[in-house]
Amino acid sequence: EIVLTQSPGTLSLSPGERATLSCRASQSIGSSFLAWYQQNPGQAPRLLIYGASSRATGIPDRFSGSGSGTDFTLTISRLEPEDFALYYCQQYDSSPPTFGQGTKVDIK
Amino acid sequence: QVQLVQSGAEVKKPGASVKVSCKASGYTFTSYGISWVRQAPGQGLEWMGWISVYTGKTNYAQKFQGRVLMTTDTSTNTASMELRSLRSDDTAMYYCARENGGYDYWGQGTLVTVSS
Repeated sequence: EIVLTQSPGTLSLSPGERATLSCRASQSIGSSFLAWYQQNPGQAPRLLIYGASSRATGIPDRFSGSGSGTDFTLTISRLEPEDFALYYCQQYDSSPPTFGQGTKVDIK
Repeated sequence: QVQLVQSGAEVKKPGASVKVSCKASGYTFTSYGISWVRQAPGQGLEWMGWISVYTGKTNYAQKFQGRVLMTTDTSTNTASMELRSLRSDDTAMYYCARENGGYDYWGQGTLVTVSS
């Protein structure tokens, strides 16, 4: 199975700053079948990005995804208070679908 | 609007079974597959399996093979996941999610607690 490794484990930033989250795959993910999710405490995950770079419905344009092959990035251009949360990447190219272990973005 | 509404929290003893339901509304139920994902307390997301609502075909994670059963009822737009031979490490929040290039809609989660 494809192992996804997210870095850093925790990102401490201030509102208004730029956040860059990394997701590295153990083997190439074809056709960029890579998604990003945001999860707040006590809530279900929310789809932010699919196909590595397409924003899901209703997602603000401060969220952007990039990358291909084995290296992917989620960028939040300017952090809003509601963006401090846990973020997961997921590959859905090959079975089983797998998730990274998560990156927590917290307030500095 | 698309909604997935799950059944309520469950408390089970080790060795028992649990069945979690997920009622879909706001879209054509047979047009999308449903996956089940669980999250143990303080842990990450774990994919359990997938069911094609249209064909009934399933694909289970190897870890749960022989212990999980995913079904759908198109007359009530409901997907269900049954997990048997529960252990304490099955204590988790269980989510259903609609597959559409990633999981674009999620249920609210069902907490299953396994305790003697």
